[in-house]
Amino acid sequence: EAQVTQNPRYLITVTGKKLTVTCSQNMNHEYMSWYRQDPGLGLRQIYYSMNVEVTDKGDVPEGYKVSRKEKRNFPLILESPSPNQTSLYFCASSFRGGGGQFFGPGTRLTVL
Amino acid sequence: TQLLEQSPQFLSIQEGENLTVYCNSSSVFSSLQWYRQEPGEGPVLLVTVVTGGEVKKLKRLTFQFGDARKDSSLHITAAQPGDTGLYLCAGANTNAGKSTFGDGTTLTVKP
Repeated sequence: EAQVTQNPRYLITVTGKKLTVTCSQNMNHEYMSWYRQDPGLGLRQIYYSMNVEVTDKGDVPEGYKVSRKEKRNFPLILESPSPNQTSLYFCASSFRGGGGQFFGPGTRLTVL
Repeated sequence: TQLLEQSPQFLSIQEGENLTVYCNSSSVFSSLQWYRQEPGEGPVLLVTVVTGGEVKKLKRLTFQFGDARKDSSLHITAAQPGDTGLYLCAGANTNAGKSTFGDGTTLTVKP
């Protein structure tokens, strides 16, 4: 089954404790992206990747890091999480940039 | 920064009614997508439109891309409770990485 998977689905952590949210797709898509969704602010793009070893900033990259060492994986790293990073996070992929995207199920992160 | 504005923000209708949701921008996009999202889940792609003036139909849903590729509309005929959800439009440019999402329209269809 074609899908985008994210782990963990739910995470409660404390300020400053490094964490990684994993994202994997099995569709051989070149393009992957991370978004955060907040009430009243909609979906905002954090980082995207056009292919392996090619990443670029979206609209809200501050406080986040990403890497794309393999085509299928695109982890999101929070080196020192802060409470304003409490949000619902989605990973997405598509065959190429500019196309319709397949979204993962989301990761609900709470930073205390 | 490219922006997309959706209207209305909220829509509550009775089963069987028709409705239209709008997605407008001052920028031109190469393509525009519509998604539907249910609570606790990720958005699901409904359609991609790429040609100015293009009309696509998906059962009771009709999608139109404006001639100038700056706006789009989603029309639902004879809405059903199963259509309830958050409808999102998103604009992008070919082979570009950035995607811009509208704030969404929350649709409630009452039986």
